[in-house]
Amino acid sequence: GAVVSQHPSRVICKSGTSVKIECRSLDFQATTMFWYRQFPKQSLMLMATSNEGSKATYEQGVEKDKFLINHASLTLSTLTVTSAHPEDSSFYICSANLGARTDTQYFGPGTRLTVL
Amino acid sequence: DQQVKQNSPSLSVQEGRISILNCDYTNSMFDYFLWYKKYPAEGPTFLISISSIKDKNEDGRFTVFLNKSAKHLSLHIVPSQPGDSAVYFCAASAPGTYKYIFGTGTRLKVLA
Repeated sequence: GAVVSQHPSRVICKSGTSVKIECRSLDFQATTMFWYRQFPKQSLMLMATSNEGSKATYEQGVEKDKFLINHASLTLSTLTVTSAHPEDSSFYICSANLGARTDTQYFGPGTRLTVL
Repeated sequence: DQQVKQNSPSLSVQEGRISILNCDYTNSMFDYFLWYKKYPAEGPTFLISISSIKDKNEDGRFTVFLNKSAKHLSLHIVPSQPGDSAVYFCAASAPGTYKYIFGTGTRLKVLA
């Protein structure tokens, strides 16, 4: 199957700093990528849909100025958590699909963010 | 409002027996459903999908059943193996969108 990577896998940062997480599709081009957040023992919550060459579409309740998304190329989307606070600590996962809506979404391995 | 629900947070099954994981949804517009498996600190991996034009899809040990009138789907794993122990998420999608709505997950433990 298609491979999606994320970097870093773990990051610990101080409150008030910004953290960038990269999501790459390694063997396919993804016009659309998705960013999810998972709290412990909870579902994956879709944060935003990242579209190559255009602005991301954010889900209701997700602050776009807090979670900056850039999809600069067909293989790379980045999520920047700005001015991070302890409540932003979570597991962030990206996914990408191959094109058609019913194509499988391939998920990255996730990034564990801990804000001290 | 949780549009996709997995009411059983956990399930334990003996190795070799059948595992049945259930998922209910409220949005009648959903027409495509998937099951994902997830290990701790990893991203979900795709297992099996089903379109609303079908009521069953089978792939090896995994079978997904869809009951549209009841807005219910289930994943059957038979025979269950210890390596199947993971959290299983169902997800649903509606026409015109790439978005998947995920359930809260069921932790399956297969006992050797």
